[in-house]
Amino acid sequence: DSGVTQTPKHLITATGQRVTLRCSPRSGDLSVYWYQQSLDQGLQFLIQYYNGEERAKGNILERFSAQQFPDLHSELNLSSLELGDSALYFCASSAGLGRDEQFFGPGTRLTVL
Amino acid sequence: GESVGLHLPTLSVQEGDNSIINCAYSNSASDYFIWYKQESGKGPQFIIDIRSNMDKRQGQRVTVLLNKTVKHLSLQIAATQPGDSAVYFCAENREDAGRRALTFGSGTRLQVQP
Repeated sequence: DSGVTQTPKHLITATGQRVTLRCSPRSGDLSVYWYQQSLDQGLQFLIQYYNGEERAKGNILERFSAQQFPDLHSELNLSSLELGDSALYFCASSAGLGRDEQFFGPGTRLTVL
Repeated sequence: GESVGLHLPTLSVQEGDNSIINCAYSNSASDYFIWYKQESGKGPQFIIDIRSNMDKRQGQRVTVLLNKTVKHLSLQIAATQPGDSAVYFCAENREDAGRRALTFGSGTRLQVQP
């Protein structure tokens, strides 16, 4: 158990819909990272927040957004969903700004029908 | 549930043998490298890391070798066990415009035959 929790574990929705994925980092970690893992793209970094502020952006679509709240939990919002958004979405956390070990949560499997 | 990996290169070894998983990284500016293990239905799990000022680092049953000249990273697992069966990813970490991000390789599936 990494100490990172993600909900829900599974999510099935339809194209055009909007969903919110939630992540609670390890106790004491200030950074939260979101990754997408799909069959054809592998693990792709989406975005990082550090202590409530956006720190780094990767291959995140404009239809996707995230935020980190004062209690350090984070949410990833996916809107106008497309079939190609079906993937595993992982959250990771670390203590520092990014040059340290990241601990991954169990992931949320999103299926868009 | 399965994770990425339907089209991954696969390394098949016998239980007790040593395994070597290789990775080529892309950016010479990367200064921190990590190996992750991902079992089916789970998130990636940290195995070992190495910083660019080192060539070798050893952990428990695992060794990471870094060759910066050819941008190559390898993970050696000694006395491979059935529980080592998983997908292994290397990841490179570098600073870009004041920000750090982790870039993952495509992964290698390790299958340990009893």
